[in-house]
Amino acid sequence: QLQLQESGPGLVKPSETLSLICTVSDGSISSSSYYWGWIRQSPGKGLEWIGNIYYSGSTYYNPSLKSRVTISVDTSKNQFSLKLSSVTAADTAVYYCARHRRAVAGPGYLDYWGQGTLVTVSS
Amino acid sequence: QLVLTQSPSASASLGASVKLTCSLKNGPSTYAIAWHQQQPEKGPRFLMKLNSDGSHIKGDGIPDRFSGSTSGPERYLTISSLQSEDEADYYCQTWGTGIQVFGGGTKVTVL
Repeated sequence: QLQLQESGPGLVKPSETLSLICTVSDGSISSSSYYWGWIRQSPGKGLEWIGNIYYSGSTYYNPSLKSRVTISVDTSKNQFSLKLSSVTAADTAVYYCARHRRAVAGPGYLDYWGQGTLVTVSS
Repeated sequence: QLVLTQSPSASASLGASVKLTCSLKNGPSTYAIAWHQQQPEKGPRFLMKLNSDGSHIKGDGIPDRFSGSTSGPERYLTISSLQSEDEADYYCQTWGTGIQVFGGGTKVTVL
């Protein structure tokens, strides 16, 4: 069964860059049937989509975060990563990586989630 | 701009049924959604993809107690024979060209 595991620092200072990696196990990140994505959840809040990437490197980002987000893929390691720059306390959240089924015009529904990792932005 | 609307809360007694609603604004009437469950202090879990015609694809190991249905522009998740572990937040999700949208979630309480 597919597994996704987030990893990265749990504490990031304000104005710095948050960096996370998602490692995919028991499945190939290079499959043409899927996109890969990041979603976050602030404490006590709902889910917020951050962005998606295809194995080819094509990306889609949430317009509200686009200026600060970079998602990349490393097919040789079966990993994809998230970078969020110029973070503030408002970026404190649990960050999830996920797999999306490919739809007609890009990523579709999400069918596997990672367990999530809490990132706190604080000095 | 796609917006998914969910009622903030719902409740039902142990062993009873509860029906959750997800509504899309500013989108096509034939939209599909996915339902996800988030139990307390856990990450979300995919329950099912629900098409506009009511057909659905369930996630691995999702019990038959969870079912989806549609009526016009509304999408529903029904949980039958409620169990204590069904107490959770339930989110609907849809997608457009290069975008993903989540509803605000419905908190289900099992009485």
